[in-house]
Amino acid sequence: ETGVTQTPRHLVMGMTNKKSLKCEQHLGHNAMYWYKQSAKKPLELMFVYNFKEQTENNSVPSRFSPECPNSSHLFLHLHTLQPEDSALYLCASSQDGGSSYEQYFGPGTRLTVT
Amino acid sequence: LAKTTQPISMDSYEGQEVNITCSHNNIATNDYITWYQQFPSQGPRFIIQGYKTKVTNEVASLFIPADRKSSTLSLPRVSLSDTAVYYCLVAMFSGGYNKLIFGAGTRLAVHP
Repeated sequence: ETGVTQTPRHLVMGMTNKKSLKCEQHLGHNAMYWYKQSAKKPLELMFVYNFKEQTENNSVPSRFSPECPNSSHLFLHLHTLQPEDSALYLCASSQDGGSSYEQYFGPGTRLTVT
Repeated sequence: LAKTTQPISMDSYEGQEVNITCSHNNIATNDYITWYQQFPSQGPRFIIQGYKTKVTNEVASLFIPADRKSSTLSLPRVSLSDTAVYYCLVAMFSGGYNKLIFGAGTRLAVHP
């Protein structure tokens, strides 16, 4: 138990569906992250939020839309996904943004796009 | 293109010391080097972090040369439970700003 929870743990969706992934951290951290982990690629940082403000967007397609209503919650809204978007989506948090802060990861959401 | 390089896989036996090196030529000047461990069906977990020279904690050591273009994670006396994937994480200067970049991971298999 890292203090970071993600729901759902597994999700199967069609290409025309709209769904959302949720992440919550109970650590009092100020920075939250979304990562994509697929079988044939390393961990890819998608978005970073620091004090609820988006500080990094690594050229992620617009079919992925993040939302950070407060420092404890992070959402990833999904719409019109492609089969290649199937992957493990990991959320993490840290005390602050930047490489000097340890990131705590959630267990991930295994997404399958059919 | 900013990237890190790690060996894809390594094999070892219980009780041996394992050293995993990550190359990061474009590391940002003021940023740290961090290593994570990941077991199947779990998120990565922090192991150790350093800025320069040597850092040691209860589970590992981290060696960083003066030029900081590489780092070596050292696991003393590995056991079967150390079988996992190990990632280095650095901030690298790319496209005009510092980006957090994970290595591709090194899959360590520890044998009896």
